[in-house]
Amino acid sequence: AQKVTQAQTEISVVEKEDVTLDCVYETRDTTYYLFWYKQPPSGELVFLIRRNSFDEQNEISGRYSWNFQKSTSSFNFTITASQVVDSAVYFCALSDSSTGGFKTIFGAGTRLFVKA
Amino acid sequence: NAGVTQTPKFRVLKTGQSMTLLCAQDMNHEYMYWYRQDPGMGLRLIHYSVGEGTTAKGEVPDGYNVSRLKKQNFLLGLESAAPSQTSVYFCASLLPVCSSTDTQYFGPGTRLTVL
Repeated sequence: AQKVTQAQTEISVVEKEDVTLDCVYETRDTTYYLFWYKQPPSGELVFLIRRNSFDEQNEISGRYSWNFQKSTSSFNFTITASQVVDSAVYFCALSDSSTGGFKTIFGAGTRLFVKA
Repeated sequence: NAGVTQTPKFRVLKTGQSMTLLCAQDMNHEYMYWYRQDPGMGLRLIHYSVGEGTTAKGEVPDGYNVSRLKKQNFLLGLESAAPSQTSVYFCASLLPVCSSTDTQYFGPGTRLTVL
């Protein structure tokens, strides 16, 4: 069965600090997709990144970076030099085709507070 | 190109009333989804559809029905609303071509309160 665990419920940092959001997933499928979404206080869901299970190359995009490790079933997300505008709830999600339909399972989310 | 739209944005119902939420997408996506998000929780899948005329149950389908009569529309119905269905409802669509840029596109959400 699919499962996504975000153990950090809330994180509070001071502006310009680096922060890493943890995500651990479970799936029996060998082909799967991992996502990070951001939900700012306005409520919409903003897509940040998708990673395929056959692509473990880590990526840096501006202040964001991702660390995908299949050996530990983890897909962590780091914000470098955090800003107040980064304050939001961040969701990790997993999608696989084992049951058809590319159903996506979301973690419970990590609420990030960035203080000025 | 409006992406994914949801109607209405807000609604207040009394227990026992019925209503239908409409999701529309103009991206010609095959797959569509309905999720609910409760305070402090992630999204949970209610129902989904892999194509016109087909629907399937997700994690929390009880109390809801769906229909996908047209490819671009996915309707979520509450036949007899209950306070436990107070939530924010998100619709999403997906074109599953498995490319590195492929992702679910989400609508803005519908905030439903059942009194």
